[in-house]
Amino acid sequence: QSVLTQPPSASGTPGQRVTISCSGSSSNIGSNTVNWYQQLPGTAPKLLIYSNNQRPSGVPDRFSGSKSGTSASLAISGLQSEDEADYYCAAWDDSLNGFWVFGGGTKLTVL
Amino acid sequence: QVQLQQSGPGLVKPSQTLSLTCAISGDSVSSNSAAWNWIRQSPSRGLEWLGRTYYRSKWYNDYAVSVKSRITINPDTSKNQFSLQLNSVTPEDTAVYYCARDGGWELTSWGQGTLVTVSS
Repeated sequence: QSVLTQPPSASGTPGQRVTISCSGSSSNIGSNTVNWYQQLPGTAPKLLIYSNNQRPSGVPDRFSGSKSGTSASLAISGLQSEDEADYYCAAWDDSLNGFWVFGGGTKLTVL
Repeated sequence: QVQLQQSGPGLVKPSQTLSLTCAISGDSVSSNSAAWNWIRQSPSRGLEWLGRTYYRSKWYNDYAVSVKSRITINPDTSKNQFSLQLNSVTPEDTAVYYCARDGGWELTSWGQGTLVTVSS
């Protein structure tokens, strides 16, 4: 069981806006910033959003992130076929000596 | 642009030791602002952080509780790389293993991944 909770699947049609949620606790999302990763089949996760809502260079502004309390969300607007992928949230957890925690992943299907 | 290149065997026998290496380019394993992580991914366990090594005037290691008794992560400053050793493996350790750099609050760069199968 993953420490962060995400819906297993999401879908949308081209051009639509889709949101993916990520729920955690006070020791992870409640205390630290949230990152989002996009994983295409057979590849490593790629950083999509960091520090809750910042995009690395090269990530389209169609992708946006937000955080409130112990939850976070990833929004994808103007959905495109190439957005079909698995999306993971992650945060540092301050319990014990600290460790990275991840969501179980959300498979996004573009219909 | 930091790049991480993984190497190591894809098949390990039960009870033996899994060993992987991650070569770093574009940064230093001795950086005072980065940490070097190992993460694995399997259908049953999802993404699972295993541990990290980092240098802050001296070397530190943090390990996940689930593997703490079996894991060692070592830096190699002469080759600018770091390694993972996981002892006494079982089929439950079958996964894709990734190395990754974290710059403080995000895992910014990942290796290409190595599928390690534990089987006799």
